[in-house]
Amino acid sequence: QKEVEQNSGPLSVPEGAIASLNCTYSDRGSQSFFWYRQYSGKSPELIMFIYSNGDKEDGRFTAQLNKASQYVSLLIRDSQPSDSATYLCAVNTGFQKLVFGTGTRLLVSP
Amino acid sequence: DAMVIQNPRYQVTQFGKPVTLSCSQTLNHNVMYWYQQKSSQAPKLLFHYYDKDFNNEADTPDNFQSRRPNTSFCFLDIRSPGLGDAAMYLCATSRDRLAGPRETQYFGPGTRLLVL
Repeated sequence: QKEVEQNSGPLSVPEGAIASLNCTYSDRGSQSFFWYRQYSGKSPELIMFIYSNGDKEDGRFTAQLNKASQYVSLLIRDSQPSDSATYLCAVNTGFQKLVFGTGTRLLVSP
Repeated sequence: DAMVIQNPRYQVTQFGKPVTLSCSQTLNHNVMYWYQQKSSQAPKLLFHYYDKDFNNEADTPDNFQSRRPNTSFCFLDIRSPGLGDAAMYLCATSRDRLAGPRETQYFGPGTRLLVL
């Protein structure tokens, strides 16, 4: 059973729309949750992390965490073509390492 | 600027010919990680160092070895690369072990390995 699951996509949204990326995890003891953006052929870049239930906003990005449902999401407002990338969800399960999902590919069309 | 540096960015090697990838960091972080990432897959942790303490993942092949001569540098040695080892190799660091919710990992730019 996969520990971190993401829809592989692609998720296609028009420029200016809200993109919603979702991630579920299996380990209820997971402590913190990360969203990385990865452009094709590049390394993952940390966008934001969250560890408390609720919403956390940073510019156009909002991370949402629901530990009861074991669900974390990333909202991107006013999506731009430059946001087109693969978004990796990663979970700190408390065993001193991150477990990554396979990522969701986002395509933002002009 | 504090950062994680990987060299080379692209490496071509022959089947069975040993290769070494390097990573350095100016963040003064205690922990350094090596990941393997194949196309459309999640990064797969190979091993990590907490200071000089080496931690190998159970499913990391013996073909992969690592050295950390000092805080700043870490090396990935592939003793006999096979075609299946062609991948992006990512080095990452964190200030301390991911024991607290605020600890995060920062990635270097990666080395793309091609095995002929």
